[in-house]
Amino acid sequence: AQSVAQPEDQVNVAEGNPLTVKCTYSVSGNPYLFWYVQYPNRGLQFLLKYITGDNLVKGSYGFEAEFNKSQTSFHLKKPSALVSDSALYFCAVRDGRDDKIIFGKGTRLHILP
Amino acid sequence: EPEVTQTPSHQVTQMGQEVILRCVPISNHLYFYWYRQILGQKVEFLVSFYNNEISEKSEIFDDQFSVERPDGSNFTLKIRSTKLEDSAMYFCASSGTGITKEQYFGPGTRLTVT
Repeated sequence: AQSVAQPEDQVNVAEGNPLTVKCTYSVSGNPYLFWYVQYPNRGLQFLLKYITGDNLVKGSYGFEAEFNKSQTSFHLKKPSALVSDSALYFCAVRDGRDDKIIFGKGTRLHILP
Repeated sequence: EPEVTQTPSHQVTQMGQEVILRCVPISNHLYFYWYRQILGQKVEFLVSFYNNEISEKSEIFDDQFSVERPDGSNFTLKIRSTKLEDSAMYFCASSGTGITKEQYFGPGTRLTVT
């Protein structure tokens, strides 16, 4: 069965510092991995995806994520955090054979000014 | 940039009533989905729809739920007899036919069952 784990409920980072939001996954087939962001009272906004190829993928708003097959991880990163990055971040996985996306429980990112 | 839209943004209904949540997917997309997020919990898959039929559904999607694409643009989720535990944010999503079938989500409808 597919699953996604986001071990941190909340991550606090000072503005200007690098940030990392952790994600590990389990899937039986080839994983398609995604990060989504949710701002208050808003829908899910796509940030980036990994399908195949380069393990470091770049996405919107300066975010990037590193796929590590041996550790089954897909951590979200950004070199320099902004206060406006404060939001709820969801890691998600899709087994290439399925339609559904499985989401992690989310990590609240709080950037301190 | 094209986007998925949903109406209404907030629906309040009494237990036992029927509700229909509406979505307009991105126009050239062929796969459609419903997800829900109970307050404070993770986003959960409900159902996927392609070629006018359900292609996959979760155990949550029981006989009380149904989906329909009544015309060329709308995609609806019907809950026949709402329960208190149906209170949640419901997200519609759509995707194209590429290998990734990257899903684009609407802003959600908050359903409150009283």
